[in-house]
Amino acid sequence: GAVVSQHPSRVICKSGTSVKIECRSLDFQATTMFWYRQFPKQSLMLMATSNEGSKATYEQGVEKDKFLINHASLTLSTLTVTSAHPEDSSFYICSASVAGTDTQYFGPGTRLTVL
Amino acid sequence: GQQVMQIPQYQHVQEGEDFTTYCNSSTTLSNIQWYKQRPGGHPVFLIQLVKSGEVKKQKRLTFQFGEAKKNSSLHITATQTTDVGTYFCARNTGNQFYFGTGTSLTVIP
Repeated sequence: GAVVSQHPSRVICKSGTSVKIECRSLDFQATTMFWYRQFPKQSLMLMATSNEGSKATYEQGVEKDKFLINHASLTLSTLTVTSAHPEDSSFYICSASVAGTDTQYFGPGTRLTVL
Repeated sequence: GQQVMQIPQYQHVQEGEDFTTYCNSSTTLSNIQWYKQRPGGHPVFLIQLVKSGEVKKQKRLTFQFGEAKKNSSLHITATQTTDVGTYFCARNTGNQFYFGTGTSLTVIP
């Protein structure tokens, strides 16, 4: 149980385009989903916390207009990187948490390359 | 900032040797979690420590939470090649999780 999927696993896009990444909890209802970014050989940096049906809470320094997060249901959250630039190239990982627990389950990640 | 520091940043050990990574915070932690991330993979939850001085074991892995709840350690006994990866501690603040800087472990066969 507690499986989280992400789609796509890899994406290559041109500078200036927008990319949408989906995060789904497959066998449980996730009241909260988290989005992280990880640059090579670095730690995971929390970008935003997403609660179903409400606006996401962004970490300091993360542009909410650039990284659009939608959490429309208890099993789906999306991250849209708008007007992507090469410096946005990174590994984006989502995780999902069940209400009342401190455990988060991670998706497999999406590797974004912006040319 | 919110990040907890981990040392060492990298560790190379011969297979069979022990390994320890330390996680240090300047502030008291409500709890600490440990994760393992294999190369190219995503973090996998290992354990959560909550109580001051708590020690938990998972086979060859021993996790410890400091008495002051400001530091934690993960010790692996007799490392195996399957232990390769980066080990992260993570602090939980309210609803958010902040990862430590990580320790990358290489095990030489």
